[in-house]
Amino acid sequence: DAGITQSPRHKVTETGTPVTLRCHQTENHRYMYWYRQDPGHGLRLIHYSYGVKDTDKGEVSDGYSVSRSKTEDFLLTLESATSSQTSVYFCAISLGGGEEKLFFGSGTQLSVL
Amino acid sequence: GDSVTQMEGPVTLSEEAFLTINCTYTATGYPSLFWYVQYPGEGLQLLLKATKADDKGSNKGFEATYRKETTSFHLEKGSVQVSDSAVYFCALGGQTGANNLFFGTGTRLTVIP
Repeated sequence: DAGITQSPRHKVTETGTPVTLRCHQTENHRYMYWYRQDPGHGLRLIHYSYGVKDTDKGEVSDGYSVSRSKTEDFLLTLESATSSQTSVYFCAISLGGGEEKLFFGSGTQLSVL
Repeated sequence: GDSVTQMEGPVTLSEEAFLTINCTYTATGYPSLFWYVQYPGEGLQLLLKATKADDKGSNKGFEATYRKETTSFHLEKGSVQVSDSAVYFCALGGQTGANNLFFGTGTRLTVIP
């Protein structure tokens, strides 16, 4: 295991409520990513971080925000959840520096009703 | 932009059959290419990679060769087992500072005894 913990593993929430997903790593890797996985789309990048307080948008960032106040934690927030954000969310980490190999967490199944 | 087109599934094979999952890519430059595997209820794991043209990645009996002339990276295995049942993702190195990967839509493989 790459030392990545995602929490919660499952969450059911209602439309319009805020939701925060947490990713914690013990590897001290510089890069952290949030992906969502949907049928027919594979994995799509939401946001990523290249260091503490350094984040940037990915392919599908609308409706999501992130924060990274410590190397080991990367938070994904849905300010006001919508049904279209029902998905499986994966956190990933990488060493960076040209090493593109990603290590993935076990995922968070989020259902927005 | 960079993208990956992957063979649609699902694929169902009998044990010991030969497996091919097609993957082609569009990219500028010479990206690294990857195959990831996702077992039920888990995150993605790197299966194999190739970093330049004509490289062959291999792992656990799976192989894929980086073909620049056909922009392909097809996954093959000579004799599949029930334990190979999973979803397989082809991915392309993003060649940007994000160290990101672009994923195909995934191919579900089911191997029956």
